[in-house]
Amino acid sequence: DAGVIQSPRHEVTEMGQEVTLRCKPISGHDYLFWYRQTMMRGLELLIYFNNNVPIDDSGMPEDRFSAKMPNASFSTLKIQPSEPRDSAVYFCASSRAGGPDTQYFGPGTRLTVL
Amino acid sequence: KQEVTQIPAALSVPEGENLVLNCSFTDSAIYNLQWFRQDPGKGLTSLLLIQSSQREQTSGRLNASLDKSSGRSTLYIAASQPGDSATYLCAVRPRLPDSWGKLQFGAGTQVVVTP
Repeated sequence: DAGVIQSPRHEVTEMGQEVTLRCKPISGHDYLFWYRQTMMRGLELLIYFNNNVPIDDSGMPEDRFSAKMPNASFSTLKIQPSEPRDSAVYFCASSRAGGPDTQYFGPGTRLTVL
Repeated sequence: KQEVTQIPAALSVPEGENLVLNCSFTDSAIYNLQWFRQDPGKGLTSLLLIQSSQREQTSGRLNASLDKSSGRSTLYIAASQPGDSATYLCAVRPRLPDSWGKLQFGAGTQVVVTP
């Protein structure tokens, strides 16, 4: 298996622009997680899905952030409009229900908002 | 609110020495604790998972202990190698309803093993 795939790996945009991050989980995994990592706040869970349904979005910082999972093999995290304080590394992770409580992380998308 | 702390933030040791990494958490009501490794520019890789009922887990040169009552876990890496250089994070899953997957992470300890 190729593991969790994220795209793009790097994104540089200007304040006010829309940003869309993409994730393909490991095939057969039921859960998908979106995290944000910054020096100040560390690794934070933003939202997670079970069988394509959002379960907990309490970590989503503002209404500017939205996430979707239209099918079992694809998810997006959208920021609109983007702000400089959104600059961070965004990780996607997936795991399998009934398996060990272990999440498999993608390589991350480094977002810079100028 | 659960807080997870890792001290020190950075650590440098010569090759061959044993590494000792510490993790503390404020609320002992947890399902499990995990140790992850993060290499620069990459995602996290799970190293060891300790259930709340367990005292330790071992994998090769890695050994993790858990003292839930005192809110502490320690990751030991024996005979360190330059390839062990990375950031190590611990994470707990709180014992709360619907907490599956809701891990709380420490800030990590950055380790450098010098040849």
